[in-house]
Amino acid sequence: DADVTQTPRNRITKTGKRIMLECSQTKGHDRMYWYRQDPGLGLRLIYYSFDVKDINKGEISDGYSVSRQAQAKFSLSLESAIPNQTALYFCATSDLVVAGGEQFFGPGTRLTVL
Amino acid sequence: QKEVEQNSGPLSVPEGAIASLNCTYSDRGSQSFFWYRQYSGKSPELIMSIYSNGDKEDGRFTAQLNKASQYVSLLIRDSQPSDSATYLCAVNTYNYGQNFVFGPGTRLSVLP
Repeated sequence: DADVTQTPRNRITKTGKRIMLECSQTKGHDRMYWYRQDPGLGLRLIYYSFDVKDINKGEISDGYSVSRQAQAKFSLSLESAIPNQTALYFCATSDLVVAGGEQFFGPGTRLTVL
Repeated sequence: QKEVEQNSGPLSVPEGAIASLNCTYSDRGSQSFFWYRQYSGKSPELIMSIYSNGDKEDGRFTAQLNKASQYVSLLIRDSQPSDSATYLCAVNTYNYGQNFVFGPGTRLSVLP
């Protein structure tokens, strides 16, 4: 079974709709992240969480919100989707103990906003 | 200046050749450097990490770090068509809680 899972894997929605992307992990890591990837721009950090009570904005948090429901679950919401939020979204985890350590990525969610 | 820069490519090399991928970064306080490989439509996977100046070798891969020049590179020896992918450089930064900033990636094409 995959260590980091994301649902849904693909989503097409319309402008103005609220949607939620979910991430679950079985790695036991404290740190979780949400990134978006656009062609030619690499991965950009949206939000990150170092534990259940810790939520922090990343580079591009406007238009997004998150919820850390448990150590293993981190959800990303788009309150009112807009077309320029069309992108590939990745959830990632890392080990708090190993500072500067490797990030493990989920399979990604391809989101299209019409 | 962007925090992490890479040539976008595509970089084309013949099978069996050495592929050289480069990355520069702006935060002099960065301590951790990673190279990820990403196949089209897939998630990034770690192939190399490096923390100290010099070279680090792992099989066909060698990472090179020069903190004075703020430069990190990845060499792939005996390149194979299966190495064709986008390679992402990631550097930790004291912005955003000492998280990582990713470069835009270099697309590598290994020609049979």
